[in-house]
Amino acid sequence: EDKVVQSPLSLVVHEGDTVTLNCSYEVTNFRSLLWYKQEKKAPTFLFMLTSSGIEKKSGRLSSILDKKELFSILNITATQTGDSAIYLCACNAGNNRKLIWGLGTSLAVNP
Amino acid sequence: DVKVTQSSRYLVKRTGEKVFLECVQDMDHENMFWYRQDPGLGLRLIYFSYDVKMKEKGDIPEGYSVSREKKERFSLILESASTNQTSMYLCASSPEGSAYNSPLHFGNGTRLTVT
Repeated sequence: EDKVVQSPLSLVVHEGDTVTLNCSYEVTNFRSLLWYKQEKKAPTFLFMLTSSGIEKKSGRLSSILDKKELFSILNITATQTGDSAIYLCACNAGNNRKLIWGLGTSLAVNP
Repeated sequence: DVKVTQSSRYLVKRTGEKVFLECVQDMDHENMFWYRQDPGLGLRLIYFSYDVKMKEKGDIPEGYSVSREKKERFSLILESASTNQTSMYLCASSPEGSAYNSPLHFGNGTRLTVT
């Protein structure tokens, strides 16, 4: 059965800290891995990763995929209170239109 | 920018009522999705549609139906609401191509409470 596992489930840090969120997967016909940020409402898209070893970057956020070890990490440097959110990871199995979602990591950044 | 609009932010309904959740997107996307999101269970796909009048069951379709009469609108119907359908409902859309080569765009969600 396809599955996506995120760790940790929750995390509390202080402003300025660097955090690493993990997403491991077991998915047949893997096509891509996606990261989303969810604050109070709609999940918003962060990154789509399809190739191993190529870092995607957006400001203080970066992500990389390892297709041999079947995981991805999302790094946030110099965290701010506005980074507090649930971070969701999902995989596209490619043979249908369904995404396989992890349960998310709840990040709280304290001032 | 893609906009996915869900008609209600909060909704309270009684057990047994028929409930309609509406979703409209403005980017001419072919694919539309309905998810529910519950603590500890994550996002679960209820139904999706890849074209007008086409629909496919997701992982938890029981107790729900959908309607897609126009490309921009995808409705979720709870035929007879029950308390275990209390949840956050999220609508999403994406363009065609290899459907998931493009990310999903989500609406702001409808928090439904069934009493």
